[in-house]
Amino acid sequence: QKEVEQNSGPLSVPEGAIASLNCTYSDRVSQSFFWYRQYSGKSPELIMSIYSNGDKEDGRFTAQLNKASQYVSLLIRDSQPSDSATYLCAVNRGNTPLVFGKGTRLSVIA
Amino acid sequence: NAGVTQTPKFQVLKTGQSMTLQCAQDMNHNSMYWYRQDPGMGLRLIYYSASEGTTDKGEVPNGYNVSRLNKREFSLRLESAAPSQTSVYFCASTRDMSNTEAFFGQGTRLTVV
Repeated sequence: QKEVEQNSGPLSVPEGAIASLNCTYSDRVSQSFFWYRQYSGKSPELIMSIYSNGDKEDGRFTAQLNKASQYVSLLIRDSQPSDSATYLCAVNRGNTPLVFGKGTRLSVIA
Repeated sequence: NAGVTQTPKFQVLKTGQSMTLQCAQDMNHNSMYWYRQDPGMGLRLIYYSASEGTTDKGEVPNGYNVSRLNKREFSLRLESAAPSQTSVYFCASTRDMSNTEAFFGQGTRLTVV
């Protein structure tokens, strides 16, 4: 089993809709969880971090963490064409390098 | 504020040639990393340096060497480039190994022919 798994997509949503991106991880001792956005030909950019169970909101973005289910998600409300990118989930087990999923490609259709 | 700076941005090598990718950060971070990114493979860790004076292998270290020159700089060397090393290389840094909000350089697109 891969350490961090994401559906590769593409996930296509219409403009203005909610995009839901999902990530599962295998190591129960994982402590920190991150979402990165990567535009084509660019480097990953941190958009959300979450450390405890529940929801964390930042503007149009909401990260959700459920440690019991080993599941973390990212919701993007009012999706815009500029949100079209690959979203990388990353997990840290504490004092070890981040482990990244392969990413989900999101396409927001105008 | 430059953040993480990588050089060069693009490079074409012939098989067997050597080169060094340079990375520097100005955020006073302790930990630095080198990743490669290939289509369908995601980001794979090559080497990392938890702190100045230490380096460790990641998931795909074969064919690479690293040097943590000082707290700011972490270089990646390809001694004898192979076509399988054609990839996009990213340097990243974090405050330390427990705070892993990572910041990335702009990447180096390397082609080995």
